[in-house]
Amino acid sequence: EVQLVESGGDLVQPGGSLRLSCAASGFTFSSFEMNWVRQAPGKGLEWISYISGSRITIYYADSVKGRFSVSRDNDKKVMYLQMNRLRAEDTAVYYCARDRFPYGPIDTWGQGTLVTVSS
Amino acid sequence: IQVTQSPSFLSASVGDRVTITCRASQAIGNYLAWYQQKPGKAPKLLIYGASTLQSGVPSRFSGSGSGTEFTLTISSLQPEDFATYFCQQFNTYPLTFGGGTKVEIK
Repeated sequence: EVQLVESGGDLVQPGGSLRLSCAASGFTFSSFEMNWVRQAPGKGLEWISYISGSRITIYYADSVKGRFSVSRDNDKKVMYLQMNRLRAEDTAVYYCARDRFPYGPIDTWGQGTLVTVSS
Repeated sequence: IQVTQSPSFLSASVGDRVTITCRASQAIGNYLAWYQQKPGKAPKLLIYGASTLQSGVPSRFSGSGSGTEFTLTISSLQPEDFATYFCQQFNTYPLTFGGGTKVEIK
């Protein structure tokens, strides 16, 4: 079964840092492009980052560029999101998500992990 | 690319035909997907390529359109279809989602 499991969400103070992890199973992880998508409480979906299977191509939303960094370990089948200089507006459920095919739609989502930025 | 979805809220009865519209701020070919999300759950892919049904999705769901205008149609609304629906363009990064349409029971 194809599965994505996020972890690392927590309560953090403004200006703090957090690292999220996404563990993949049930598919050849290195062959798939991956994304992070977040959803603020009661709000819509916001794509924030993409990383190709080879790790060569990476994209960020303007809202997180320069503060967040995506990476992946294909041997461990894990993707990471390092989040620095966190702001209150970063409070959201963060989803790990797999592209169905290169530059395609998202066909698999994790269950999400909640990040709360508050003093 | 901005994606505008309408309506943002829809009240309907079981058995109704429901249509949701998505407009892109520039042409995106058929690089559009539709997702369904239920409270407390992750989104689920319904349709991609504007009209291709994802495996396992009931045939009462259909999509159409190209360029800048797209529609999601549910031919006969079922109790399990009450949820929020999002469209998403995957033509260009940054990927962008519509604001969502919440479908509630009338």
